[in-house]
Amino acid sequence: DAGITQSPRHKVTETGTPVTLRCHQTENHRYMYWYRQDPGHGLRLIHYSYGVKDTDKGEVSDGYSVSRSKTEDFLLTLESATSSQTSVYFCAIREGNSPLHFGNGTRLTVT
Amino acid sequence: AQSVTQLDSQVPVFEEAPVELRCNYSSSVSVYLFWYVQYPNQGLQLLLKYLSGSTLVKGINGFEAEFNKSQTSFHLRKPSVHISDTAEYFCAVSGGSQGNLIFGKGTKLSVKP
Repeated sequence: DAGITQSPRHKVTETGTPVTLRCHQTENHRYMYWYRQDPGHGLRLIHYSYGVKDTDKGEVSDGYSVSRSKTEDFLLTLESATSSQTSVYFCAIREGNSPLHFGNGTRLTVT
Repeated sequence: AQSVTQLDSQVPVFEEAPVELRCNYSSSVSVYLFWYVQYPNQGLQLLLKYLSGSTLVKGINGFEAEFNKSQTSFHLRKPSVHISDTAEYFCAVSGGSQGNLIFGKGTKLSVKP
């Protein structure tokens, strides 16, 4: 999948705990994105990055933070997980005018 | 702001029948349009894209889509579907200066024998 690895693939956590999801790319692409996928909502953008240490909010950023200290890694953190953050999270990368390429997703369950 | 409407949440069809998945978008500027497919428990895979030029775009697995600017539509078609085409299909439009995409809510295609 265009050199994108998401980890973990599955995670179950309790309400109130911090959670970090990792997206790692081997393509040296400039742009990286975090989306969440929920039934009936399609994919919605959480945060994105346009370079090392350059990030911005998307449509549903509340309760999430991101960091990009290296080109290849884009981390998504839920500071205090809530049940409404149970979802499937997808990372995507892009360079130039190329389309988005997606990872295989992380299924997160908050109990 | 851009938005995407996929008019059907589910489309059941018999094997070897033709299928059309409908997508309408709204945008005040020129757009790039995409169709992605998602098989169960997998990520999204690009089917085809419209950036400019010919309004009929051919993609992988025998799918094609037609960009209609006057009707602001980008419908996906396949003349004869297979069981293996069972998946969820997402239409998307370019959404901002940083290249993120605005997605529709998806259409689940179910191909029956």
